[in-house]
Amino acid sequence: EVVLTQSPATLSLSPGERATLSCRASQSVHIYLAWYQQKPGQTPRLLIYDASHRATGVPARFSGTGSGTDFTLTISSLDPEDSAVYYCQQRTNLYTFGHGTKLEIK
Amino acid sequence: QVQLVESGGGLVKPGGSLRLSCSGSGFIFSAYYISWVRQAPGKGLEWLSFISSDGTVISTAASVKGRFTISRDNSKNSVFLQMNNLRAEDTAVYFCARELGHTYLDYWGQGTLVSVSS
Repeated sequence: EVVLTQSPATLSLSPGERATLSCRASQSVHIYLAWYQQKPGQTPRLLIYDASHRATGVPARFSGTGSGTDFTLTISSLDPEDSAVYYCQQRTNLYTFGHGTKLEIK
Repeated sequence: QVQLVESGGGLVKPGGSLRLSCSGSGFIFSAYYISWVRQAPGKGLEWLSFISSDGTVISTAASVKGRFTISRDNSKNSVFLQMNNLRAEDTAVYFCARELGHTYLDYWGQGTLVSVSS
């Protein structure tokens, strides 16, 4: 099983700041990694797929980079509506999710 | 618009069974893989199982293999999750989700709550 480790567990930043979220895989997943956003009381929303491709309707301030075992989700200028839990997911060996990073906007 | 609606959740005793349903509309249901994912209260997402568009390819997470079985009926635009020998740790909201070309999950239902308790 591919284990995805996300860090930090919690991130607290101010509006306008830059957020950097990390996802590390226990073995190479090539570029086959996605990021999801889940706001309280809502279902997950696909943000990024294949490491760096924004899903339909996702604002340009969200970007993804990485390959192999190390991936990053960057939110360039935080908006209060970005407060959510962010999960990474791999599809190389069945599917697994990371445990999530909770992003709080002060 | 694309919609997925889960049903069949509820309260069940340990050792009991439930069959969840996922009904899709607004897209060509028979052309898509569908996955089940669950989320225990206050916890993260756990992928459980997927089924191919024609039902011939199925994969299931080791954590529920042998207890949970996915199936589909494209004539009814529905996917099912048969859950047997339920345990307290199976308590969660269960989501079905459409797969974007058998890769990632691009549309999700609102979920159905399963509670396992005596």
